Order: sequence, then structure tokens, then C-alpha cells
Amino acid sequence: QVRLQESGPGLVKPSETLSLTCSVSGDSMSTYYWSWIRQPPGKGLEWIAYIYYNDNGSANYNPSLKSRGTISVDTSKNQVSLKLRSVTAADSAVYYCARLWPQTLTPESWGQGTLVTVSS
Amino acid sequence: DVQLTQSPSSLSASVGDRVTITCRSSLSLTSYLNWFQQKPGKAPKLLIFDISSLQSGVPSRFSGSGSGTDFTLTISSLQPEDFATYYCQQSYSLLTFGGGTKVGIK
Repeated sequence: QVRLQESGPGLVKPSETLSLTCSVSGDSMSTYYWSWIRQPPGKGLEWIAYIYYNDNGSANYNPSLKSRGTISVDTSKNQVSLKLRSVTAADSAVYYCARLWPQTLTPESWGQGTLVTVSS
Repeated sequence: DVQLTQSPSSLSASVGDRVTITCRSSLSLTSYLNWFQQKPGKAPKLLIFDISSLQSGVPSRFSGSGSGTDFTLTISSLQPEDFATYYCQQSYSLLTFGGGTKVGIK
């Protein structure tokens, strides 16, 4: 059974870059899409980006990010990464890594999430 | 962008009640409409995929239906462990989530 574990700094300063890593274990990364989804405290879920396992040029992003995000995958390390530039308090959220079924892009497995707070 | 509107945003129900949650899409979806359950402090859990298919391990009291722009999640007999927040989600055009429906205890 696949296990996803998010990691990164819990606190980021405004205008800086948020960097997160998702470590994948228990199954191969191949054939799947990989995604980041976030949830501000007390609010709903927001999709950020997804990428195919072997194609860093295949990424798709939520237009609301206004090109601030970069998702990448490193199959040699079994990791998926997210960088979000020029963060503000509105980027404070629990960030989840998720595995998507390849045919339907259904988020079928999720990590436990990591809380990131943007504050000076 | 595909917008998903869930209703109601919250409801109160008793154990044994039949509960229905609606999700309306701004675009007609042929499929790729999913439902998730989320409990406080936990990651969302996939319940229903492709409108009406039950994810492995999910109790049969959960069911999904709908077509076009209107979709429904039904819990046939609410159990104590079902008090949670439920989200619809589409993968037809990028990914979008509904705003959520919190199911509370009456």
C-alpha cells in the first residue's frame, strides 16, 4: 500500500518561497500522476498542481496561483516537490500530497498533510 | 474553470437518517465526479469515484448518482462514524473541489 509523507518548513516569511517534498513509499511511482492540494485552516480544499511521474514538462497548475508554483518529480528519490513563490498569509494551509489515478486523475491516496504558516 | 457548488453547506442529522448532499457543476460532466469524506485533522478519504462507483472498503450505505451538471451523494442510514465533512470533486477539466458539506449531530 502506497504511503505519502509530506515534509517542509512549518513557517515561511511573506514574499519568500515555500518548498515542500512528498516522499513516496510502498509502491512504484510509475504510471501515476502526482498532485499537491491544500486546505487553509477551517476552509475547503484547493487543488494546486499535478504532474505525470516521468515527465516534468507535463505539469498542470491551478490558474489562481498566477504562475507562482512549480511541481516536479524525482523518481530516483521517489519524491514529488512543490515550490510556491512570493507567498502571502493567504498561502497558509495544510498542504497534502496525493496520488492520482492515470485514467481519471482521481486523488485516490493522500498523505497526512503538513501545516505551513506564512508569517513574519 | 469548472465550479462545483455543494448544498447544503451544513446539516444536522440523527443516527439512522437518510442523508443527501447535492453537487452542481458549472459545466456538464460526462464522468470524473468523485466524493470524499474528511474528518477533523485527517486527510480526505475517497468514497465514490466516477459518479457512482464505490471505492474499495467503503460501506455500501454510501452511494452516488447523477449526470450532466447535478450529482448526489446519499448515505442511506447515517452511522456515528459518518459525522464528517463531505466534498465533491471533478477531474473532467483540471481539478476542482466543492465547498464542502458538514454533517453534524442533531
